[in-house]
Amino acid sequence: AQKVTQAQTEISVVEKEDVTLDCVYETRDTTYYLFWYKQPPSGELVFLIRRNSFDEQNEISGRYSWNFQKSTSSFNFTITASQVVDSAVYFCALRKDSSYKLIFGSGTRLLVRP
Amino acid sequence: EAGVAQSPRYKIIEKRQSVAFWCNPISGHATLYWYQQILGQGPKLLIQFQNNGVVDDSQLPKDRFSAERLKGVDSTLKIQPAKLEDSAVYLCASTLGDEQFFGPGTRLTVL
Repeated sequence: AQKVTQAQTEISVVEKEDVTLDCVYETRDTTYYLFWYKQPPSGELVFLIRRNSFDEQNEISGRYSWNFQKSTSSFNFTITASQVVDSAVYFCALRKDSSYKLIFGSGTRLLVRP
Repeated sequence: EAGVAQSPRYKIIEKRQSVAFWCNPISGHATLYWYQQILGQGPKLLIQFQNNGVVDDSQLPKDRFSAERLKGVDSTLKIQPAKLEDSAVYLCASTLGDEQFFGPGTRLTVL
């Protein structure tokens, strides 16, 4: 069975702090994809990144970075120098290769205080 | 490029009433999804269409939920009759390739 666990329900930081959102996944598939989405108060899910299971290279995009470790089945997301606009709910999701169906975690609510 | 459109944005009904949601995907996107997002949880797939055919409806409560995508473009999701536990945000998404684009959702409150 496939499963995504985001153990952190809510995180509160002060602006300019770095913050890491954890994601642990379970799957028996050898080929799969991992995603992060941002859900601001407006409700729309915004795609942030997709990573396939054969690419463990870490990725950096501006203040965002992702650490994928197959050995620990984790795909963690770090925001450097957080800003108030980063306040949102962040979802990690898993997709098997043969399907477009996304399995979402329960989300982590990030609050960045000024 | 216009995004995924959904209406209404909000709906309040009483239990046992019927309700319908509408979704217009991004032009040219063959695959359309309906998700249910209960407060405090991640979205859960209800049904997936490829053009006007159903690919996966394994988690759709078929005794009360129905969905259609006539002509392979717009889609409607209906609940009849609604229960209290149906209170949630209903998200529509579409995809052409690999990335799913989500609409703003319809927030349903069942009293």
